[in-house]
Amino acid sequence: LAKTTQPISMDSYEGQEVNITCSHNNIATNDYITWYQQFPSQGPRFIIQGYKTKVTNEVASLFIPADRKSSTLSLPRVSLSDTAVYYCLVGVLNTGGFKTIFGAGTRLFVKA
Amino acid sequence: NAGVTQTPKFRVLKTGQSMTLLCAQDMNHEYMYWYRQDPGMGLRLIHYSVGEGTTAKGEVPDGYNVSRLKKQNFLLGLESAAPSQTSVYFCASTPGFHTAGEGFFGPGTRLTVL
Repeated sequence: LAKTTQPISMDSYEGQEVNITCSHNNIATNDYITWYQQFPSQGPRFIIQGYKTKVTNEVASLFIPADRKSSTLSLPRVSLSDTAVYYCLVGVLNTGGFKTIFGAGTRLFVKA
Repeated sequence: NAGVTQTPKFRVLKTGQSMTLLCAQDMNHEYMYWYRQDPGMGLRLIHYSVGEGTTAKGEVPDGYNVSRLKKQNFLLGLESAAPSQTSVYFCASTPGFHTAGEGFFGPGTRLTVL
């Protein structure tokens, strides 16, 4: 069963690029990797998803190496409003049924 | 387009009481999920549904039951609440298989069991 590991917290300053890496041991071939953002007292919000190589959208990039055992969320030029908890998610469908594996989350604090 | 809504937002129960949490989505999504989130932890999947009339167990299903009688609604039931079920519960939906596509989460239900 895939397991995810993320740094507990990170600090940054406004305008900097932030990279958050998630390790997902034993990820299965049919797994996608998804990242969510969560503010206090709110539900998680989808940021980006990928299967391999690089994916970019209007808010972030996701880098996935060839072995897919990790992924890196890249947030360009963060602002104070990017202070939140970021989760990576891996899903797998196996003989035991469908499982989703959320990481424990990385608390990002952006300072002025 | 309200997305995913949850009812109620807050609830306090006594041990042994029962309740039902309601989740509704207006995006015509096939897949719906119930998660629980405990302090300092990520989300853990309780049950999920791949379509109307279907349900399946997730990682932590014990003590909970679910029903998906209508495509837009997914109900989570606690038959006999226990203090260990004190948590924040989130409902989510996706158009297809969970890990392929954008997931939408509700605002959460904060449940306290005394």
